[in-house]
Amino acid sequence: KNEVEQSPQNLTAQEGEFITINCSYSVGISALHWLQQHPGGGIVSLFMLSSGKKKHGRLIATINIQEKHSSLHITASHPRDSAVYICAVDLTYSGGGADGLTFGKGTHLIIQP
Amino acid sequence: NAGVTQTPKFQVLKTGQSMTLQCAQDMNHEYMSWYRQDPGMGLRLIHYSVGAGITDQGEVPNGYNVSRSTTEDFPLRLLSAAPSQTSVYFCASSTENYYGYTFGSGTRLTVV
Repeated sequence: KNEVEQSPQNLTAQEGEFITINCSYSVGISALHWLQQHPGGGIVSLFMLSSGKKKHGRLIATINIQEKHSSLHITASHPRDSAVYICAVDLTYSGGGADGLTFGKGTHLIIQP
Repeated sequence: NAGVTQTPKFQVLKTGQSMTLQCAQDMNHEYMSWYRQDPGMGLRLIHYSVGAGITDQGEVPNGYNVSRSTTEDFPLRLLSAAPSQTSVYFCASSTENYYGYTFGSGTRLTVV
């Protein structure tokens, strides 16, 4: 069974700080996802990674397939970045999201002004 | 373009009642899946479908039924609701041309 572990579980930082959230998984995957969920809100897909690095605005996601590890970075953090960040993996080897996702338990991030 | 639409947004059931959570997508996605989100447990896969007429069980399927008669719709049925099924339910879809998942806005279900 694939386990997805995220750290830290909770993170409080000051506005402007550089944020790193880590995700490790135990078996081979075809893709890894970073998701964002605001309190009481829906789930938004931030990144899908199968290798390397992706950047979108102040968000950067990296993955090391050999080490089974991914990181999500937020540069110049802002209070609106406060949310739960969830790592999820796709075990489908034939491609696509056919078999659903396996999730980490999420990282609760609070950015204080 | 509505994406993934879930109804209802909120529901209160009595123990033993049955109900159907609706999920519809208008993106012609082949793959659809249902998840429940519980405090401290994260999101867990209930059932998934790779196309019309094809469904399979996920991590926590007990107490739930699904069917996929069309590409667009993937309803989740609670046969006899139990307090343990109090949760927030999310439906998601994706496609073979794989750019990630699109999630619905969720259904908050309380079973009393």
